Amino acid sequence: AQKITQTQPGMFVQEKEAVTLDCTYDTSDPSYGLFWYKQPSSGEMIFLIYQGSYDQQNATEGRYSLNFQKARKSANLVISASQLGDSAMYFCAMRAMLKTSYDKVIFGPGTSLSVIP
Amino acid sequence: NAGVMQNPRHLVRRRGQEARLRCSPMKGHSHVYWYRQLPEEGLKFMVYLQKENIIDESGMPKERFSAEFPKEGPSILRIQQVVRGDSAAYFCASSPGLTSNEQFFGPGTRLTVL
Repeated sequence: AQKITQTQPGMFVQEKEAVTLDCTYDTSDPSYGLFWYKQPSSGEMIFLIYQGSYDQQNATEGRYSLNFQKARKSANLVISASQLGDSAMYFCAMRAMLKTSYDKVIFGPGTSLSVIP
Repeated sequence: NAGVMQNPRHLVRRRGQEARLRCSPMKGHSHVYWYRQLPEEGLKFMVYLQKENIIDESGMPKERFSAEFPKEGPSILRIQQVVRGDSAAYFCASSPGLTSNEQFFGPGTRLTVL
């Protein structure tokens, strides 16, 4: 069965510092995708970054980068130069990418990030 | 190109009433997913639909909950005889198909059962 674990229920970071949000996953699917979503207090789900299991390089999107370690089954999110607007819940998610399968997404429990001025 | 639309954004119901949540996927998307987020929790998959077909409803409670995605019009998540435990945020997501990397989420409907 697929499972996502986020062991940090809450994190604090000083403004302009970098922060790493942990995510480990468990799957038996040979091909899968890993996602990070941001949920601010307003409630919407904002897609941040995607990593495919066969991608050779770690994904980056602006200040977001994904530290993908396949052997350890971890997909940590790194936010560089934190901003006050980064304060939100962050969810790690996973989906099987088999062409014959559909793409149900499994979400982790989330990490609450607070950026301190 | 409008994003995924959900309405209403907020819905208040008394115990025993029915709740209807609507989701219009992005243009060109034929796959719709419904997720539920209980307070202080992550999103949990409920049901996956394609036009006129329910593909996977393994996350749906067996009673009172149903979903449809008709040939024309939005997808509907229907909750009959609501109870306080149904209070949650319900998110709809859409994707163009199996090969897409991303599901696009709507803003969610926040259901409060009094």
